[in-house]
Formats: sequence, structure tokens, C-alpha cells
Amino acid sequence: NAGVMQNPRHLVRRRGQEARLRCSPMKGHSHVYWYRQLPEEGLKFMVYLQKENIIDESGMPKERFSAEFPKEGPSILRIQQVVRGDSAAYFCASSPPGRGSNQPQHFGDGTRLSIL
Amino acid sequence: DQQVKQNSPSLSVQEGRISILNCDYTNSMFDYFLWYKKYPAEGPTFLISISSIKDKNEDGRFTVFLNKSAKHLSLHIVPSQPGDSAVYFCAASPGGSNYKLTFGKGTLLTVNP
Repeated sequence: NAGVMQNPRHLVRRRGQEARLRCSPMKGHSHVYWYRQLPEEGLKFMVYLQKENIIDESGMPKERFSAEFPKEGPSILRIQQVVRGDSAAYFCASSPPGRGSNQPQHFGDGTRLSIL
Repeated sequence: DQQVKQNSPSLSVQEGRISILNCDYTNSMFDYFLWYKKYPAEGPTFLISISSIKDKNEDGRFTVFLNKSAKHLSLHIVPSQPGDSAVYFCAASPGGSNYKLTFGKGTLLTVNP
């Protein structure tokens, strides 16, 4: 299966703990995006990364949230000191390189984060 | 401030008939528009897209229409099939940063056999 792979599918954390969400893009894709979906809402853009570079993190909360896409391995979305309001579905998407052209983003099945 | 609006939370259609899903946007900088389908507990699946230089794009049973002056787009599915039952999201992105998708809240389509 060459789709976008996210793990874990479900993650439960207690308040104050750290959450790490992983995303492996589709084969041949070098652009990764993270989105968050709260209940009854649409997906909201968080961050756009290429290998070893954060291109746009304008949708990321200023504190506790960070993202990386290292040269080797998956992209990681990290949430420190989680709070109840962080409970949401987090989706990763990827697209192939193609500057100047519109490329649809392909999504993984998400990680459902629950904070106790 | 909701820049992409899907005003119908749900839509019910008979199998074989046409489904029309609507989407309005407010940001005149948007120039690339997409429709995604989403089943429960899965990620959105890309369906079809259109850039602002066109007013129609067709792919099999799916057609997207764009009316730039009205800031309105629609997705037509014909004929509708029970397997089309899902939540449909409209998304848009601005020129210059066409990776930054803004999504509507979705419309739940139910196609009855």
C-alpha cells in the first residue's frame, strides 16, 4: 500500500503528557502537511514541511506544538503538555514536488488523539 | 471567520438521481478548489479539482462547476450510487500558497437504494 501512513491510529494521553504523531508520505512525495479536525468542523491547516525544512507553520499554535520532517524517517507532529482541548483528529497529507503547479494533497487516515 | 462555507449539513438523494453539493467562499484570493470525500474513521479522499481559469471540470460521474463572480462552486454526481454516501468537503487555496487548504465543514450525502 503506497498511501500516506499515519500511526498510531488512536492515541490516549493524560493531561500534561506528550503526544507524538507520525506520518510517512506516499512514495515519491516530498511535501507533507498536517491538519487538525475538531468535532463538527472542517480540517484546519497547521504546518507545511519539506525534508528538513518547515515551509509554513502559520496554523500551528505558538506553544507546545512542533513539527519536523527529517532527512530520514517519517514526519513527526509533537504536542507537549497536552490539554483537553488538544483532543481532535490529526491528519497528515502529502503531495509530489511540482513548484508552480497545483497538486492535490493525499491524506492519511488520521490519528485520533484523546486527552483524559 | 469561515472563508469556505457548505451551508447544507446533509443531503439525501435517491439512487440513480443527481446529487448537487454546494460551496461558497469569501476570499477572492482563492484560485484552486478541490472536493474530497470522507468515510467515517478514514482520511479525506481526493475527488476532483478545478483552477480559477476554468469554470467546469469533469471526471466520470463527477463534475465541478466554478462561478467566480458569485464565489460559488458545486459538485454534481450523476448517477448517484449508494457507495457515494459519505461526507463531502469543499476546500480552497490561494494563489502563491496553494498548499494551504481551507476546508468547509462538510455535507453528509446519503444515497438511498
